Amino acid sequence: GENVEQHPSTLSVQEGDSAVIKCTYSDSASNYFPWYKQELGKRPQLIIDIRSNVGEKKDQRIAVTLNKTAKHFSLHITETQPEDSAVYFCAANPPGISSGSARQLTFGSGTQLTVLP
Amino acid sequence: NAGVTQTPKFRVLKTGQSMTLLCAQDMNHEYMYWYRQDPGMGLRLIHYSVGEGTTAKGEVPDGYNVSRLKKQNFLLGLESAAPSQTSVYFCASSHTTVSGQPQHFGDGTRLSIL
Repeated sequence: GENVEQHPSTLSVQEGDSAVIKCTYSDSASNYFPWYKQELGKRPQLIIDIRSNVGEKKDQRIAVTLNKTAKHFSLHITETQPEDSAVYFCAANPPGISSGSARQLTFGSGTQLTVLP
Repeated sequence: NAGVTQTPKFRVLKTGQSMTLLCAQDMNHEYMYWYRQDPGMGLRLIHYSVGEGTTAKGEVPDGYNVSRLKKQNFLLGLESAAPSQTSVYFCASSHTTVSGQPQHFGDGTRLSIL
């Protein structure tokens, strides 16, 4: 099955600096890569996603890049703010065995991002 | 539009007791999932369902059972609770497509087994 590794496990940055979180995946057939943000005690919420036919996607201060050859993808947050402090999870979604199979996500172990004021 | 709703939000059980966690979604999603979240281990898939009346095992299914009698509901059962099942349980749902769709999560159920 798919295996997703996420680094670093903890990351501290000064407010206004950039933060980068990296993930690698094992199944070259994976074609969908979402990123979730989870604040303390809350549900994971989708912040950005990218599909395998795209190399980069941006949404205001957040961007995701995908390198299919190397099987890794990264989350970039620019101009970080204290409210960006949370746990961030990457995930990969390999195609199912058939068209009726579930779209299972395999999650990374998470990165605790702390933005210091 | 409530999205994904989980009940209860908190529960404390004694070892050997049984209980059922309920997940309801109002987005007409075909797929539903149950995850457990433990410190430092991310989200691990317990069971999932691709439609009404169907269920399948995920990564960590042992000790759990599920049922999907109605499209909008997905139940997770613990037949004989064990301390190792102390965790936060999240339900999620998504549309069915070929190219992958985001999963929408509920607020979670904090379960402690004494």
